Amino acid sequence: NAGVTQTPKFQVLKTGQSMTLQCAQDMNHEYMSWYRQDPGMGLRLIHYSVGAGITDQGEVPNGYNVSRSTTEDFPLRLLSAAPSQTSVYFCASSYHPNYEQYFGPGTRLTVT
Amino acid sequence: SQQGEEDPQALSIQEGENATMNCSYKTSINNLQWYRQNSGRGLVHLILIRSNEREKHSGRLRVTLDTSKKSSSLLITASRAADTASYFCAPHSGGGADGLTFGKGTHLIIQP
Repeated sequence: NAGVTQTPKFQVLKTGQSMTLQCAQDMNHEYMSWYRQDPGMGLRLIHYSVGAGITDQGEVPNGYNVSRSTTEDFPLRLLSAAPSQTSVYFCASSYHPNYEQYFGPGTRLTVT
Repeated sequence: SQQGEEDPQALSIQEGENATMNCSYKTSINNLQWYRQNSGRGLVHLILIRSNEREKHSGRLRVTLDTSKKSSSLLITASRAADTASYFCAPHSGGGADGLTFGKGTHLIIQP
């Protein structure tokens, strides 16, 4: 049971490039979410999904796209990277959004 | 969901001492959760306390909840170096699917 996995661990992008951050869970959780964490700030919700085929926006969705074609995977796409998207990104999953969230190890992204 | 506010922002104590951190929130809740984040890692769920509970224990952790004051506290007894981390509370009002919101946390340092 690997829990929540994220790849890559580190990534450097140039402004304007696009990329996909991968997130997978093997706990059969319906609920998955993406957060970003910036220095001195808490975690901010980007997008979330309550099940395959269903996604919704969180607090800071601009510049990011998500899709949920399977229960296991919830990739986060950066369409055109900007320096303001330099951050640490965490994926989380849970059987229900109200209860215990399981977090992945994070992806540290730098946009130059 | 609503954001909790942790206090103090930083706390430094000697190994073996007890550490207490507090969380305040604004509106009525369904439950409140505490998470720990070690440096560079994802958040780890510590404990969930429901709105009809006043106190909950898990190992060296003791969480209290005072819904009349809209506050919670996390006590770590007999602290260890491994307890050095940031601690976040996440009050959840229930109903919505947008999961948890996290504040800036309390950064706890355990001095050897």
